Amino acid sequence: QKEVEQNSGPLSVPEGAIASLNCTYSDRGSQSFFWYRQYSGKSPELIMSIYSNGDKEDGRFTAQLNKASQYVSLLIRDSQPSDSATYLCAVNLLTGGGNKLTFGTGTQLKVEL
Amino acid sequence: NAGVMQNPRHLVRRRGQEARLRCSPMKGHSHVYWYRQLPEEGLKFMVYLQKENIIDESGMPKERFSAEFPKEGPSILRIQQVVRGDSAAYFCASSPSYQQGGNSPLHFGNGTRLTVT
Repeated sequence: QKEVEQNSGPLSVPEGAIASLNCTYSDRGSQSFFWYRQYSGKSPELIMSIYSNGDKEDGRFTAQLNKASQYVSLLIRDSQPSDSATYLCAVNLLTGGGNKLTFGTGTQLKVEL
Repeated sequence: NAGVMQNPRHLVRRRGQEARLRCSPMKGHSHVYWYRQLPEEGLKFMVYLQKENIIDESGMPKERFSAEFPKEGPSILRIQQVVRGDSAAYFCASSPSYQQGGNSPLHFGNGTRLTVT
């Protein structure tokens, strides 16, 4: 089992729809969870962090965490073509050190006009 | 620019040459992390350093790769005798020390794209 797992996609949604991106992780004691967005040829950009069970909202983005199910998700409301990118789930695994993050392989999102 | 600075942005090396990639962390950050990203793949952890100390090098290939973060100057990722399979994007990230900002996210530089011909 991979330590951090995501569907690679592509996930295609129409403009204005809600995009739902999912991630599972293996280490039950993990405490910190992050979503990064990466445009093709660019560096990862932090968009959300979440540390407690439940929902955390920031503009059009909502991160959801369920530690019992070892599951974290990202919802993007009113999706725009500019949201088309690869979304990386990152976890500070209990077995890691310091702020070291383990990344999933990313889900490619395509927002279609 | 107070962000993570990496240079060069692009580096071309012939097989057998050495590649040196440099990274200066964000101001106030004392920890540096190197990641490698192969085309169409995710970010793979390589090494985690603080000044003059390697904390975790579990992702570093056993041969040809080394990293340092000296007391003065940037962190250096060094690849000796490069091969075509080393062609990738190498990203550096920084964070405060764990004691200062536990659970902090990593902030990434723009990366160095290494091409081995």
